[in-house]
Amino acid sequence: DQQVKQNSPSLSVQEGRISILNCDYTNSMFDYFLWYKKYPAEGPTFLISISSIKDKNEDGRFTVFLNKSAKHLSLHIVPSQPGDSAVYFCAASVGNDYKLSFGAGTTVTVRA
Amino acid sequence: DSGVTQTPKHLITATGQRVTLRCSPRSGDLSVYWYQQSLDQGLQFLIQYYNGEERAKGNILERFSAQQFPDLHSELNLSSLELGDSALYFCASSVEGGGYYNEQFFGPGTRLTVL
Repeated sequence: DQQVKQNSPSLSVQEGRISILNCDYTNSMFDYFLWYKKYPAEGPTFLISISSIKDKNEDGRFTVFLNKSAKHLSLHIVPSQPGDSAVYFCAASVGNDYKLSFGAGTTVTVRA
Repeated sequence: DSGVTQTPKHLITATGQRVTLRCSPRSGDLSVYWYQQSLDQGLQFLIQYYNGEERAKGNILERFSAQQFPDLHSELNLSSLELGDSALYFCASSVEGGGYYNEQFFGPGTRLTVL
């Protein structure tokens, strides 16, 4: 049962423009959400996170928005750069839990 | 470089065989997690060890087992391999056993191909 879903397998965006990645979840117990970035032949790297007490968290060019009522979160990358081309995974966990539930990933390609 | 190492990088074997994947966590990290990523799937949590003890189990098959040694490195043993076990296997480590902001650092993965 896939509790975290990324319905867009790929996204192509022009350099300098905004990339918006979406993620939906079904488990209402999730209260901590993360985005990981993965380059080929490397493991996922933590990017940004948000807890359910917030609806926005910003770190440089990356902003994550959380809409708890819709069970939806999104990652905005502004402006997009060629080095942002990677696979982005959305993940979620419950409170003090150990286990991360991952989405299937979205492949972002930034065009020059 | 996350500081988490995994060996081997690639492994090709036949159905019915047994393999061992190895993971060394970041210095100071007590928790080790194992994840499986099959083709076009997200990472699936398999098992977690914390300071040598099994902390939690996810969707891990009975044919699979793991352990964490006193030096905190971990091994994932896969036996009676089937074609469907072909996947990327990631190890991650963290300082604590869970909780908010307990960031998990991932190794580069071991690609297992079962022929």
